[in-house]
Amino acid sequence: AQKVTQAQTEISVVEKEDVTLDCVYETRDTTYYLFWYKQPPSGELVFLIRRNSFDEQNEISGRYSWNFQKSTSSFNFTITASQVVDSAVYFCALSEARGANSKLTFGKGITLSVRP
Amino acid sequence: KAGVTQTPRYLIKTRGQQVTLSCSPISGHRSVSWYQQTPGQGLQFLFEYFSETQRNKGNFPGRFSGRQFSNSRSEMNVSTLELGDSALYLCASSLGDGVLYTEAFFGQGTRLTVV
Repeated sequence: AQKVTQAQTEISVVEKEDVTLDCVYETRDTTYYLFWYKQPPSGELVFLIRRNSFDEQNEISGRYSWNFQKSTSSFNFTITASQVVDSAVYFCALSEARGANSKLTFGKGITLSVRP
Repeated sequence: KAGVTQTPRYLIKTRGQQVTLSCSPISGHRSVSWYQQTPGQGLQFLFEYFSETQRNKGNFPGRFSGRQFSNSRSEMNVSTLELGDSALYLCASSLGDGVLYTEAFFGQGTRLTVV
């Protein structure tokens, strides 16, 4: 069975601090996808990134960066120079490769609060 | 390009009643998935429809059902509502052609409260 663990439940930082959100996953599949979604107070899940299991390159997008390490089954997310607008709940998710996004397994989410 | 539209946004129902939620996917998307979000259980997969057929199903009782129409719009129904069904129900759409993975785009959800 697939499982995603986000051990951190709540993180509070002051604006401009860097913050890393941890994600550990379990799967028996050799081919799978990993995701990060952001959920602002409005409720919808906003897609941030997708990684497939064969691509371990780290990725940077502006202030966001992701570190995928298959050896430790981790897919961590770092926000550099955090801003108040980054305050939200962040979810890490896992999907099997077959059937497109037929089933996303989510972690419990991390509530990030960025204080001015 | 319009996003995923879920209606209604808020709903209050009484135990024992049934409810129908609607989801209009992004134009051209043929896959619609439903998720239940509660504080205790988090985000849980309910089911996925692709081209009017249920392609995958989560671990929920038979009171939860869904369907998809030829225009890809989807509805989910919950019968004999229980207090524990109170949740945010999220719909996600994607191209879902089953060959090449495509991202899932989520709607804002329907907040169901059962009293």
